[in-house]
Amino acid sequence: QSVLTQPPSVSEAPRQRVTISCSGSSSNIGNNAVNWYQQLPGEAPKLLIYYDDLLPSGVSDRFSGSKSGTSASLAISGLQSEDEADYYCSAWDDSLDGLLFGGGTRLTVL
Amino acid sequence: QVQLVESGGGVVQPGRSLRLSCAASGFTFSSHPMHWVRQAPGKGLGWVAVVSYDGFNKYYADSVKGRFTISRDNSKNTLYLQVNSLRVEDTAVYFCAREGAVGATRKIDSWGQGTLVTVSS
Repeated sequence: QSVLTQPPSVSEAPRQRVTISCSGSSSNIGNNAVNWYQQLPGEAPKLLIYYDDLLPSGVSDRFSGSKSGTSASLAISGLQSEDEADYYCSAWDDSLDGLLFGGGTRLTVL
Repeated sequence: QVQLVESGGGVVQPGRSLRLSCAASGFTFSSHPMHWVRQAPGKGLGWVAVVSYDGFNKYYADSVKGRFTISRDNSKNTLYLQVNSLRVEDTAVYFCAREGAVGATRKIDSWGQGTLVTVSS
């Protein structure tokens, strides 16, 4: 059971917008940067959002991140079939002195 | 370009040991903290350990503390993970991963393709 809580799955139609939530606590999300990763089937993860809401070079601006208190969200607009993947949030935890990953959310584009 | 190539995985009996290696190239290895992250078959990502850029500071997940040791050789651009007292539940793909050098974001900006460790009798 992950300390960062994500919904196991979400689904939405092409061209629509979906959000994925990530809930934590004051020792992790509440006090540290949240990063998001995309893992396509059979591939290594890829950095999607860092420092809560920043996009790495080369990542589509259809992806966006936000944070409020001890929760964070990833939004994907203009959904495309190639967005079907597993998405993970991550943050350092000051109490555990360790890096946390959420349990992951599988996105299905209907 | 950044390359991280893991090796050393395989099939091993419970209680035995392995040493995983990660050869890094395409960047200044000694400037970046480095992580090991694992993924059990069909499961999510699980953080294992991190070592600071100079090798002095190390942190571990509770599930591996006392059994796994992360280390690095900056002269060889190589990251290591010594895994001892292996358990069936340690079966996973082990990814070597680079943390961004700037800022306190703990972002992992590059990943290797992983090496599979299977613990089975």
